[in-house]
Amino acid sequence: AQKITQTQPGMFVQEKEAVTLDCTYDTSDPSYGLFWYKQPSSGEMIFLIYQGSYDQQNATEGRYSLNFQKARKSANLVISASQLGDSAMYFCAMREDNQGGKLIFGQGTELSVKP
Amino acid sequence: DGGITQSPKYLFRKEGQNVTLSCEQNLNHDAMYWYRQDPGQGLRLIYYSQIVNDFQKGDIAEGYSVSREKKESFPLTVTSAQKNPTAFYLCASSTLLKGTTSNQPQHFGDGTRLSIL
Repeated sequence: AQKITQTQPGMFVQEKEAVTLDCTYDTSDPSYGLFWYKQPSSGEMIFLIYQGSYDQQNATEGRYSLNFQKARKSANLVISASQLGDSAMYFCAMREDNQGGKLIFGQGTELSVKP
Repeated sequence: DGGITQSPKYLFRKEGQNVTLSCEQNLNHDAMYWYRQDPGQGLRLIYYSQIVNDFQKGDIAEGYSVSREKKESFPLTVTSAQKNPTAFYLCASSTLLKGTTSNQPQHFGDGTRLSIL
């Protein structure tokens, strides 16, 4: 069974608008972390934002915020005021804290920002 | 600057040949990881190591081997047993979790693109 599901293979957004990238996860471990990474066409993985399973508030980092709905097991990434440089692949990943730090990745969403 | 260095950036493998991908980190991280990425796909874990001289198989370890003789280094060998090695390989490292959950992410190198000749 898929542990991380990203249902949007591709998304388009107009420059300066906000966009939400979906991520749902499945785990029975009460302690886990959720991460979002950005992968530009050059291939490097850039860490964007983290949400812990025990965090009471949704994470925010600059233009990135995470809409964490624990009961629904979803951790959607919201990018506000999109920029052309935001065009990239975005990956959601989960770390179950009793599994040695391994990350389980979703299939990714390709975001294209239109001028 | 601290970081992870992968080399080479591009690598070509001939039939029946073993090739080794290098991964070095100077972040003083205990844990290191190797992932494989196929076009349009997410990352899949090949091997990981939490401590020197110890490592564990990930989800797709067949046809690969690793060593962890030094904390800084975690080379990956793609053996001739790996029949479909063409992919993008990413190495990562992180601090080792102890007890409660940590917000420390995995840090990634720039990757090695491996192709068959």
